[in-house]
Amino acid sequence: GAVVSQHPSWVICKSGTSVKIECRSLDFQATTMFWYRQFPKQSLMLMATSNEGSKATYEQGVEKDKFLINHASLTLSTLTVTSAHPEDSSFYICSARDRGTTQYFGPGTRLLVL
Amino acid sequence: QKEVEQNSGPLSVPEGAIASLNCTYSDRGSQSFFWYRQYSGKSPELIMFIYSNGDKEDGRFTAQLNKASQYVSLLIRDSQPSDSATYLCAVNSGNTGKLIFGQGTTLQVKP
Repeated sequence: GAVVSQHPSWVICKSGTSVKIECRSLDFQATTMFWYRQFPKQSLMLMATSNEGSKATYEQGVEKDKFLINHASLTLSTLTVTSAHPEDSSFYICSARDRGTTQYFGPGTRLLVL
Repeated sequence: QKEVEQNSGPLSVPEGAIASLNCTYSDRGSQSFFWYRQYSGKSPELIMFIYSNGDKEDGRFTAQLNKASQYVSLLIRDSQPSDSATYLCAVNSGNTGKLIFGQGTTLQVKP
């Protein structure tokens, strides 16, 4: 149980394009999902908290207009990186929280912006 | 002061030994505590969670919590080379639901 999927696992795009990443909880409903970013050799950095049916809450320093988050259902949240640039290249990881406080992570999406 | 602190390591232990990973946290109101394992290039994987003071065992893993000392640890018995990874300690921030992560401890188990 508690499986979280992400799609795509890898994406390479040109600078200036937008990229959408999907995060799904496969066997449980998640009212809250989280989006993290991780650069090489660094720890996880929380970008935003996504609540089903409401606006996401962004961490300080994260541009909400650049990283659009939609949590339209109890099993799906999406992160769209708009007008991506090389500095946005990173490992993006989502997590979904069960009824308690446990977060289960998706496998992550590697984004490379050329 | 960091909210969740871990020694970055690397912690090197021989195969078959006990690996002891430690974590301290600053928020006395924290109620739930997690250990995640992250292999290089992969996302974190939940190993254990613990809510109550004392020990919690699951196979070769034992989590220990001491709320008075604000201390969480993870013991790995009979360490295997496949246990080599970064171990992340995470503490639930009660009123926000967010997890606060430590920087992680790199464990190396040598054959």
